[in-house]
Amino acid sequence: GQQVMQIPQYQHVQEGEDFTTYCNSSTTLSNIQWYKQRPGGHPVFLIQLVKSGEVKKQKRLTFQFGEAKKNSSLHITATQTTDVGTYFCAGPNAGGTSYGKLTFGQGTILTVHP
Amino acid sequence: DGGITQSPKYLFRKEGQNVTLSCEQNLNHDAMYWYRQDPGQGLRLIYYSQIVNDFQKGDIAEGYSVSREKKESFPLTVTSAQKNPTAFYLCASSIPGPGNYGYTFGSGTRLTVV
Repeated sequence: GQQVMQIPQYQHVQEGEDFTTYCNSSTTLSNIQWYKQRPGGHPVFLIQLVKSGEVKKQKRLTFQFGEAKKNSSLHITATQTTDVGTYFCAGPNAGGTSYGKLTFGQGTILTVHP
Repeated sequence: DGGITQSPKYLFRKEGQNVTLSCEQNLNHDAMYWYRQDPGQGLRLIYYSQIVNDFQKGDIAEGYSVSREKKESFPLTVTSAQKNPTAFYLCASSIPGPGNYGYTFGSGTRLTVV
């Protein structure tokens, strides 16, 4: 079945350092979504990328979708303590684009030391 | 405000008991989902429903059951057949079809078997 893999599983950074998490799918994706889950909280939708090679920015966050639409990355510039949490990528199941059924990566847990 | 409400927030179950987790949404979303989250793992799909009176098994449906009698409600029953039910359960909803703008998650139910 479809697999979505994320690396690294954990990342510890000093406040002000940059952070990147990578997402790879075993199949070509029609789109990819990113979510953030704060400690003790629930996932919150951040963004969706649809086009091959697409790059989107949200303040200090930069999201990229690979040319082959099988990989994606999230880069945070100059991390802050408010960035702490788990970042998940998710892609629609193969053939599941009609109803949004998603397969989630394992997530990258980000810790920011002040 | 529109959103998804999950209850209870915390639930303790004795072995051999069935328990039902509530999920209600007022977003007028057609699609609803149940995911399970274990420490260090991503979200795994239990069941999903694209429309009232219809639902499909996800990747880990064994030991669980659902119903979708109303558009707003998608309760999950964790039966005694589920061997390892202690986990964080997340309900989500979305607009199905192209242009899906991501899931909206509830705040989750933490189930512990005692």
